[in-house]
Amino acid sequence: NAGVTQTPKFQVLKTGQSMTLQCAQDMNHNSMYWYRQDPGMGLRLIYYSASEGTTDKGEVPNGYNVSRLNKREFSLRLESAAPSQTSVYFCASRLLRGDIQYFGAGTRLSVL
Amino acid sequence: SQQGEEDPQALSIQEGENATMNCSYKTSINNLQWYRQNSGRGLVHLILIRSNEREKHSGRLRVTLDTSKKSSSLLITASRAADTASYFCATEMNYGQNFVFGPGTRLSVLP
Repeated sequence: NAGVTQTPKFQVLKTGQSMTLQCAQDMNHNSMYWYRQDPGMGLRLIYYSASEGTTDKGEVPNGYNVSRLNKREFSLRLESAAPSQTSVYFCASRLLRGDIQYFGAGTRLSVL
Repeated sequence: SQQGEEDPQALSIQEGENATMNCSYKTSINNLQWYRQNSGRGLVHLILIRSNEREKHSGRLRVTLDTSKKSSSLLITASRAADTASYFCATEMNYGQNFVFGPGTRLSVLP
């Protein structure tokens, strides 16, 4: 089982460029999540999708958009990247509320 | 401000010793989960403890939950060098889908 797959693994952008981070899970999970991890701050929730067709803001949604393309895929888009968005981004999924989350390996993004 | 706060921020011990990490939170929760993160990798789930549970075990791991004090502890017994990692607690509230992670404890187990 692949579990949660994130692409790309690394990305360097210039300020103002746009990009989409892709996430796919093969566990038939209902809920999917996007987090960012900055040094010394743990993970902060950007957006989540409780079920196919729904998306909601998390703690730090500004500067990001998401799309739940289907049950498997949940993408995160940066429309105009800023240096403050330099971070490691993690996608996670789980079957139901109250279950554990399964994480992808992360995308390391640098915005110059 | 973050819901979960781990203590200590960093911990260095010798192989074979026990490691204890603590997590405090501020509001009522549905459950609390502990995750491990090896350097440069994703998070791996360790234990989930629900608000009506007080203690859970998994191999060398023991987690306790005290809802009256809004705190949890993770004990790793007979530590190994392979336990070197960052450990995070995450709380799920009674409403919504919001998970809140603490800043983590960096554990170093010296051979």
